[in-house]
Amino acid sequence: KAGVTQTPRYLIKTRGQQVTLSCSPISGHRSVSWYQQTPGQGLQFLFEYFSETQRNKGNFPGRFSGRQFSNSRSEMNVSTLELGDSALYLCASSLGAGKTGELFFGEGSRLTVL
Amino acid sequence: DAKTTQPNSMESNEEEPVHLPCNHSTISGTDYIHWYRQLPSQGPEYVIHGLTSNVNNRMASLAIAEDRKSSTLILHRATLRDAAVYYCILRDNSGGGADGLTFGKGTHLIIQP
Repeated sequence: KAGVTQTPRYLIKTRGQQVTLSCSPISGHRSVSWYQQTPGQGLQFLFEYFSETQRNKGNFPGRFSGRQFSNSRSEMNVSTLELGDSALYLCASSLGAGKTGELFFGEGSRLTVL
Repeated sequence: DAKTTQPNSMESNEEEPVHLPCNHSTISGTDYIHWYRQLPSQGPEYVIHGLTSNVNNRMASLAIAEDRKSSTLILHRATLRDAAVYYCILRDNSGGGADGLTFGKGTHLIIQP
């Protein structure tokens, strides 16, 4: 069974640009959540999607957005990039039925903003 | 989600048991206790979870205090591959399925050969 796939794995952008990251969940999983990991703030929850609807959102500015497609694949977008957006972006998938289920994480997309 | 408190780091020897503590004094009745770990250069992975009773799986055991204000993750025989950051997380199972894990700083487990 294929795991969670995130693309691209590494990317470099400059300030002011925008970036789109992709996440393909495990087949059959309908929930996708996104996290930002930095050395200073640790792992922080960005948002969660289930059946193409955002169900939950963390405390991030509106420059961070996401969407989910009918096949459960998800994308997140960061506009007007800032140096502080340099981070590892992780997505996780789950069945999405309640909060006792296991989340499966991808290996992440490492974004560097210059 | 309610807050958890874990030691910043712990050190253990290979092939010995490891007990990773977690305090969650404000836990509510609908909070499940979850443990995830993150190995170097990887995304987090699920370890175990429980509500009231102690739980065992192939990776670890979870011992939950009777008052549920604390829990302990037990690795029965640590190997070098268990060196990771371990996160204790509370997940409230009430209020629908909307999800999102609240990670704390976790415990950095160091295994000495």
